[in-house]
Amino acid sequence: QVQLQESGPGLVRPSQTLSLTCTVSSVSISSGDFYWSWLRQPPGKGLEWIGYIYSSGTTSYNPSLESRVTISLDTSNNQFSLKLNSVAAADTAVYYCARRTAVRALDLWGQGTLVTVSS
Amino acid sequence: DIQMTQSPSTVSASVGDRVTITCRASQSIVAWVAWYQQKPGKAPKLLMYKASNLESGVPSRFSGSVYGTEFTLTISSLQPDDFATYYCQQYSTSLWTFGQGTKVEIK
Repeated sequence: QVQLQESGPGLVRPSQTLSLTCTVSSVSISSGDFYWSWLRQPPGKGLEWIGYIYSSGTTSYNPSLESRVTISLDTSNNQFSLKLNSVAAADTAVYYCARRTAVRALDLWGQGTLVTVSS
Repeated sequence: DIQMTQSPSTVSASVGDRVTITCRASQSIVAWVAWYQQKPGKAPKLLMYKASNLESGVPSRFSGSVYGTEFTLTISSLQPDDFATYYCQQYSTSLWTFGQGTKVEIK
């Protein structure tokens, strides 16, 4: 059964870089027609798509975050990662990794991890 | 950006009620809309994709439809497990956007 699991620090200082990893089990992230995605949800608010990396390595980012975001693949560990730099309090959110297929939208999600930006 | 305007923001309903949630897209997106259910403290769960396709394992009381740029999620007979927040999402373009969410609460 395919599973996704986020990991990373729960607290990040303002102006620093938020780094999260999503470990994928039971399917290779470098094969198949999959978009490995990051999303976030501020406390009590709605969902925001951050970006994705295709299994070939091609990336696409939300223009509102593009200048601060990098998503990358680590095929040796079957993981993909998110880096968001110059964070501020507004970046406090639950961060989710998810898989999108070509047709079935975001069909698999990690459980989410809360990242708080605070000094 | 394609905006997804979701309504209502809250619906109060009883077990057995028929519930309808609507998303209107700001431009044509064909049928590239998905619907998700989210319970407190949990990740969203895919219910419907490509407007009217039921995800595997999702009860048949959920259905989706489209008319032009208006997309609808219907729960035919609300069950206790259905009290949650529902989101629509368009994936017609490379910039995916979500509706604001609809909370289905107990009347």
